[in-house]
Amino acid sequence: EVLLVESGGGLVQSGRSLRLSCTASGFTFGDDAMSWFRQAPGKGLEWVGFIRSKGFGGTPEYAASVKGRFTISRDDSKSIAYLQMNSVKTADTAVYFCTRVFLDDSGGYYPFDWGQGTLVTVSS
Amino acid sequence: DIQLTQSPSFQSASVGDRVTITCRASQGISSYLAWYQQKPGKAPKLLIYAASTLQSGVPSRFSGSRSGTEFTLTISSLQPEDFATYYCQQVDSYPWTFGQGTKVDI
Repeated sequence: EVLLVESGGGLVQSGRSLRLSCTASGFTFGDDAMSWFRQAPGKGLEWVGFIRSKGFGGTPEYAASVKGRFTISRDDSKSIAYLQMNSVKTADTAVYFCTRVFLDDSGGYYPFDWGQGTLVTVSS
Repeated sequence: DIQLTQSPSFQSASVGDRVTITCRASQGISSYLAWYQQKPGKAPKLLIYAASTLQSGVPSRFSGSRSGTEFTLTISSLQPEDFATYYCQQVDSYPWTFGQGTKVDI
């Protein structure tokens, strides 16, 4: 059974840092890309960023709203993906989800396994 | 950025109804579109990818189609467990973007 468990959320002051972890099990973590999404209270879904598998360079992509402040990384030996959040803002308050992403035959990346999410609250 | 316009924002329906949700992309995205179902307090669930491919384990009453830059999610016969919010998402180019969501309610 595939499991993705996010941790590290909580209350943080504006301008400070927080690191979220996504611990994976039930699949060969190093073979898959991973992505982070978020959902502000009562709002829709927003993509945060993505990291390719090492086989495809291990490179990240970011949403403009977090680029330069957030960093996605991965430790394939531990089956963990990270979201380092620096200089957080009140607008970053949301539930953060990590996802496993598969690459289909046409070259599209699709998030298909999701964690349960972890709440990050940024206070002013 | 590619904008996805979903309609309607809210759909009132009954068990057994056929429900259709539309997602229009602001530019061409080929078939790089997914549909998700989300229930309150839960993570989204992938229903359809590549515009029309049913994700494994998803009931066959769900289907997706594409006509140019217009995409459709159809639930052929709404079941009680289908009352939820549905989102489309494009993965053609970064940043990945979502439609604003369609809440299907009684």
